[in-house]
Amino acid sequence: DIQMTQSPSSLSASVGDRVTITCQASQDISNYLNWYQQKPGKAPKLLIYDASNLETGVPSRFSGSGSGTDFTFTISSLQPEDIATYYCQQYDNLQYSFGQGTKLEIK
Amino acid sequence: EVQLVQSGAEVKKPGESLKISCKGSGYSFTSYWIGWVRQMPGKGLEWMGIIYPGDSDTRYSPSFQGQVTISADKSISTAYLQWSSLKASDTAMYYCARRKRGGYGDYVDYWGQGTLVTVSS
Repeated sequence: DIQMTQSPSSLSASVGDRVTITCQASQDISNYLNWYQQKPGKAPKLLIYDASNLETGVPSRFSGSGSGTDFTFTISSLQPEDIATYYCQQYDNLQYSFGQGTKLEIK
Repeated sequence: EVQLVQSGAEVKKPGESLKISCKGSGYSFTSYWIGWVRQMPGKGLEWMGIIYPGDSDTRYSPSFQGQVTISADKSISTAYLQWSSLKASDTAMYYCARRKRGGYGDYVDYWGQGTLVTVSS
């Protein structure tokens, strides 16, 4: 099965900062990579699918890039409401796996 | 409106059995795969497996194969996750999730509200 290594595990940043999270797959997954946001006590929410496609209704300050094994998730200007844990997820023929998550806090 | 409504919180003892449910509404239940995701206290998301209610085709994550059973009853638009003998390590929040697979992407577009399972003697 495909392992996803996400970093950092936690991150503290100021409002307005640019924030970057990385995710590395244990094998080539093309662009089969999604990013989710989970706020405390809530179910996750899809932000980015297929590595770089913004889900409808998601603010444009969120973006994703990458292909193959290395992927990046970026928040261009951190807002207070972005405090959450972020997860990458790969998919491969009905098998899925998540990264360990990145907990984002406001400095 | 698409909804996935899960059964309520459970408190069980080690060795007991349990079946939790996820009822879909607002869409054709038999046309979308339903997955289950575990989140242990303070930890990350783990994909457990997925079922197609139309024909009950089921795929398990290797880590959960043999540990749980995923099933569905399409007549009542409900998917299930069950354990035959619970362990304390099964204590977690469990989410059901609808898989969307279109021309682009393969992702979860709707989630249940979660079912908290607590296993303690």
